[in-house]
Amino acid sequence: EAGVTQFPSHSVIEKGQTVTLRCDPISGHDNLYWYRRVMGKEIKFLLHFVKESKQDESGMPNNRFLAERTGGTYSTLKVQPAELEDSGVYFCASSQVGSTSGRVSYEQYFGPGTRLTVT
Amino acid sequence: AQSVTQLGSHVSVSEGALVLLRCNYSSSVPPYLFWYVQYPNQGLQLLLKYTSAATLVKGINGFEAEFKKSETSFHLTKPSAHMSDAAEYFCAVSAGGADGLTFGKGTHLIIQP
Repeated sequence: EAGVTQFPSHSVIEKGQTVTLRCDPISGHDNLYWYRRVMGKEIKFLLHFVKESKQDESGMPNNRFLAERTGGTYSTLKVQPAELEDSGVYFCASSQVGSTSGRVSYEQYFGPGTRLTVT
Repeated sequence: AQSVTQLGSHVSVSEGALVLLRCNYSSSVPPYLFWYVQYPNQGLQLLLKYTSAATLVKGINGFEAEFKKSETSFHLTKPSAHMSDAAEYFCAVSAGGADGLTFGKGTHLIIQP
């Protein structure tokens, strides 16, 4: 079974340009998450999709970031226009549907990340 | 709101020695707790998780962690370090089983031969 894949693995863009990151979750996983790690800092949650709906986007830094998940399959994260502070590694993760009762936790499977450098 | 503190950005141990990576958490609700490991150029891999069952949780590769509510801790241990354990380790907490994770800053584990 294929794991979570992310494209591209690396991206170098200039300040003011637009970049789109793509994440393909594990087949059948309805939950999809985006995280970001800025150099020297902790991995931070950005947002959570359940199928095509945004369940929680409390971690999105500002309106230059736009995440979509058309058809509840793959997801894209667009940064427009990119700023220097957007540099970092962007991780995507996916998991099965969560239970609404009892304390059940579904493992989040992470992709290898996209390293974004804004110059 | 949740938060995680990992003590020590780098921990160095000799091969065969005990590994102890510290994690303290803060949570306003009963937490879900996780340890992840990241090897170079790879994604994060789940080592183990605590939901609410046994307080001593066993994971992969010989790692285990103990949930101590009174100390708000979830330290990761392994009795005998192996060279292949060299990686970065992350402690994380969430409020719900499918919620986004709040991570600590990570600890680089260095294994000395």
